[in-house]
Amino acid sequence: GQQVMQIPQYQHVQEGEDFTTYCNSSTTLSNIQWYKQRPGGHPVFLIQLVKSGEVKKQKRLTFQFGEAKKNSSLHITATQTTDVGTYFCAGLSNSGYALNFGKGTSLLVTP
Amino acid sequence: DAGITQSPRYKITETGRQVTLMCHQTWSHSYMFWYRQDLGHGLRLIYYSAAADITDKGEVPDGYVVSRSKTENFPLTLESATRSQTSVYFCASSEPWRDSYEQYFGPGTRLTVT
Repeated sequence: GQQVMQIPQYQHVQEGEDFTTYCNSSTTLSNIQWYKQRPGGHPVFLIQLVKSGEVKKQKRLTFQFGEAKKNSSLHITATQTTDVGTYFCAGLSNSGYALNFGKGTSLLVTP
Repeated sequence: DAGITQSPRYKITETGRQVTLMCHQTWSHSYMFWYRQDLGHGLRLIYYSAAADITDKGEVPDGYVVSRSKTENFPLTLESATRSQTSVYFCASSEPWRDSYEQYFGPGTRLTVT
């Protein structure tokens, strides 16, 4: 079945540095979603990308969907301590509404 | 405006016991999901439901049972708990609209099986 791979597993940056996490699928995705989970919290929806080559921005966060709709990335510019958490990508499963989540990238930001 | 709630938030049970985790949402979302989260595995789908009385297996359904007699409730039962089912369990709901499949997660239940 469809698998969503995410790298890196962990990333430790100094505050102010940039951060990028990558998501790759074995099959073409109809769309991709990104979630953030703060330590001790629950996943919270960030964004959904649908179109090939789509780029969306949310303040310091930039999300991209690859041309082949098999990969995606999340880039954070000038990280802040509030960015700490685990970032997950997720693609729709064959059911059409359940999600297959990547294993996530845990971001630690040191002041 | 409670949204999506889970109970209990923490549970300790013994191997072999039956335990039920509750999930309740107030949005009347059609779809509901159960995930478990373990270190190194991310979020893995256990069961999901498209509507009342419609459920389907996810990636890791063995040892779990679900039911959905009402749209707003989606309980997850561990029929005979095992140590490998020690995990954090998240319930989620969604209502697809204009090709948006955003899921809303509950606060989670931390289950320990001794």
